[in-house]
Amino acid sequence: KQEVTQIPAALSVPEGENLVLNCSFTDSAIYNLQWFRQDPGKGLTSLLLIQSSQREQTSGRLNASLDKSSGRSTLYIAASQPGDSATYLCAVSSGNQFYFGTGTSLTVIP
Amino acid sequence: DAGVIQSPRHEVTEMGQEVTLRCKPISGHNSLFWYRQTMMRGLELLIYFNNNVPIDDSGMPEDRFSAKMPNASFSTLKIQPSEPRDSAVYFCASSLGGGHTGELFFGEGSRLTVL
Repeated sequence: KQEVTQIPAALSVPEGENLVLNCSFTDSAIYNLQWFRQDPGKGLTSLLLIQSSQREQTSGRLNASLDKSSGRSTLYIAASQPGDSATYLCAVSSGNQFYFGTGTSLTVIP
Repeated sequence: DAGVIQSPRHEVTEMGQEVTLRCKPISGHNSLFWYRQTMMRGLELLIYFNNNVPIDDSGMPEDRFSAKMPNASFSTLKIQPSEPRDSAVYFCASSLGGGHTGELFFGEGSRLTVL
């Protein structure tokens, strides 16, 4: 069974810092990997989708990479802002399901 | 597009009452998913539909839970009778493509409190 792990569970950084969030998965047979953002009391907002044949995707200050062979993905956030404070979840589609990590809670301190 | 629309956003009910949660997926999407999120267990898949047909309901916790998708633009999740342990945020999500290959889009969720 696919297992998805996100470390660290929580991260606090000063505004302006570049940061990396990590996602690892145990089974490399995936269709795609998706990064989401969740604000308190809200739904999950899709940030980036990386197909299994791709290595990375970029959107504004966000860059996500995928290394299937090692079972890892990273979400790079450049020049962090207080508005980036949220929980970030990754999900892999594998077999017949989406498998979610438990998320990294990010706080960007002004 | 308006995105995935869920109602109600908040529901407070008493134990034993029937609860019905509603979802309108993104137009054109052919896969629909119901998830439950709690602090203890994170996100759990309850059931998913493809082309209005239930494909996997193994996550439905027990017979008190049922879900329907009568057409491509509407789905319901019903709990009868409700219990306090059902308190959670219930999310509906939709995607284009078969099974779990498409990009997943979530609604804002329905926060259920069972007293």
